[in-house]
Amino acid sequence: QQQVKQSPQSLIVQKGGISIINCAYENTAFDYFPWYQQFPGKGPALLIAIRPDVSEKKEGRFTISFNKSAKQFSLHIMDSQPGDSATYFCAASKNTNAGKSTFGDGTTLTVKP
Amino acid sequence: DTEVTQTPKHLVMGMTNKKSLKCEQHMGHRAMYWYKQKAKKPPELMFVYSYEKLSINESVPSRFSPECPNSSLLNLHLHALQPEDSALYLCASSRGGQGATEAFFGQGTRLTVV
Repeated sequence: QQQVKQSPQSLIVQKGGISIINCAYENTAFDYFPWYQQFPGKGPALLIAIRPDVSEKKEGRFTISFNKSAKQFSLHIMDSQPGDSATYFCAASKNTNAGKSTFGDGTTLTVKP
Repeated sequence: DTEVTQTPKHLVMGMTNKKSLKCEQHMGHRAMYWYKQKAKKPPELMFVYSYEKLSINESVPSRFSPECPNSSLLNLHLHALQPEDSALYLCASSRGGQGATEAFFGQGTRLTVV
């Protein structure tokens, strides 16, 4: 049973466009929702994270929207750049140890110049 | 210093070899993790160490043996691996304890079993 479902599997966006990646979770005990960015041959790097007591968090061009009742959260990348081309993973964890995360399957983002 | 350092970066080993992967962090984190990542797949949790004690083993075969010599170091000992064990092995660390906080991943060790 997959606890975190991520879509789309791949995404192609023009430079300057908005990239949107969606995730849905099942376990209501999750209380920490990070997004990781991974470049080929590198480890995942935390991009932005949110807790369920807020509905939106913005850091620069990256925004997480969180809908607790629907058990969904999404990543919006504004003004997408070619350097944003990477694989993005949403994740969810419980109240201890952020590293014990359940990951979505990942979205490969390609931003065309 | 927000770095998790993994060595070696690449490793090729035969099925009868014994090798070890190493991970080090100096952020004072008390939780450390081993993940396995196959190509185009998300990381899969293997082991969790909390305050130098093994707290989670996600049903990993005994040919993988973790060790946490101290709060800064984490090893993964490998023995009699199979070709399907070829993957990127990631180490991560977090503060640990109540209240989920940011997890930091290393760059990984690309393991090839021949």
